[in-house]
Amino acid sequence: GEDVEQSLFLSVREGDSSVINCTYTDSSSTYLYWYKQEPGAGLQLLTYIFSNMDMKQDQRLTVLLNKKDKHLSLRIADTQTGDSAIYFCAESNSGGYNKLIFGAGTRLAVHP
Amino acid sequence: DAGVIQSPRHEVTEMGQEVTLRCKPISGHDYLFWYRQTMMRGLELLIYFNNNVPIDDSGMPEDRFSAKMPNASFSTLKIQPSEPRDSAVYFCASSPGQGWNAEAFFGQGTRLTVV
Repeated sequence: GEDVEQSLFLSVREGDSSVINCTYTDSSSTYLYWYKQEPGAGLQLLTYIFSNMDMKQDQRLTVLLNKKDKHLSLRIADTQTGDSAIYFCAESNSGGYNKLIFGAGTRLAVHP
Repeated sequence: DAGVIQSPRHEVTEMGQEVTLRCKPISGHDYLFWYRQTMMRGLELLIYFNNNVPIDDSGMPEDRFSAKMPNASFSTLKIQPSEPRDSAVYFCASSPGQGWNAEAFFGQGTRLTVV
């Protein structure tokens, strides 16, 4: 079946890099996503990566994909207090209907 | 476009009462999703629609839950009768398509409290 797992908490100092990890089980996953949820708000897409890519960089964000190990990570460089939020990993495949499966979310706390 | 609009933002109801949550997706989006978020279970997909047709309702917890999409611009999620364990934040999301275009746009959510 489909399953996405993440660690629940991460605490970092302001200015340091944050690395949030995710593992998934569906080998047919075609697209993998990172969503951000700020307090009291819905989820917003941060970035996505296609399964035939190893890395994607977007400003302070770097996504690494190890398809063999089914491991996805999100690195946030120069983490700021505004990055404090819950980060969700999600997967979908294009083999059928669009269906996003989310992990439980990683709560990132940034402290001075 | 104002984004996905959900109403109400907060709902407090007594056990046994019927609750109806509403969602207006982004115009032109073919997919609509209902998710439930709790501390214990995280974000769960309840049901999703494609072109107003329910495609997968395997996440609906039980018969007390039902969802409809009478037209492309409106969907409801109904719980009847409601129970305290239904307390959660319910999100509606819409998406324009599949593959790379599968980005889901989320509403602000409805926080439901059943007492």
